[in-house]
Amino acid sequence: DGGITQSPKYLFRKEGQNVTLSCEQNLNHDAMYWYRQDPGQGLRLIYYSQIVNDFQKGDIAEGYSVSREKKESFPLTVTSAQKNPTAFYLCASSIGLGQGWTEAFFGQGTRLTVV
Amino acid sequence: GQNIDQPTEMTATEGAIVQINCTYQTSGFNGLFWYQQHAGEAPTFLSYNVLDGLEEKGRFSSFLSRSKGYSYLLLKELQMKDSASYLCAVRDHTGEGYSTLTFGKGTMLLVSP
Repeated sequence: DGGITQSPKYLFRKEGQNVTLSCEQNLNHDAMYWYRQDPGQGLRLIYYSQIVNDFQKGDIAEGYSVSREKKESFPLTVTSAQKNPTAFYLCASSIGLGQGWTEAFFGQGTRLTVV
Repeated sequence: GQNIDQPTEMTATEGAIVQINCTYQTSGFNGLFWYQQHAGEAPTFLSYNVLDGLEEKGRFSSFLSRSKGYSYLLLKELQMKDSASYLCAVRDHTGEGYSTLTFGKGTMLLVSP
């Protein structure tokens, strides 16, 4: 079955540690996105990528880093520089880049808690 | 950048019709999406508008007016399971050839018996 997978579903880390959230898709989508959601809030864009080896900062990129070495994978690293990292992180992908933009499909999310 | 506004909360009764409005300001508009999100879950796609007018999909319809920067999601024959957050999202082409997808803060809909 095609889809987008995030792992793990729940993640606990100590303050000051970097942590990497995984996002893999087998939908052959060019575009991938990372969002952060805080309680009662909408989704805020962290980073996005439209093609392999290229990515752009979103609205709240500070304290985060990404890579896009493969079309299928778009991991997000939450660094110790992120002041308030506890949140629900959502990865999404969509067709794009000249193929006709469509809706974004979401993974099930990773709930990160930093203690 | 984009500015997307939706009401924070709405309430309605089972079997009724509810309209959730969304206004937006963007420079490179290329489509508007509506998503449904239940608490603790990922958003799921409901509808997409890129041209002016009404798109109907079963109990859900979405309308777009590009000149007014306005959209609404219409939910008919409300069911208890429709209690969720409804997110309006705008696709925007940036000047550098990139395309972003920006979400509003969502409208929490509570359906009561």
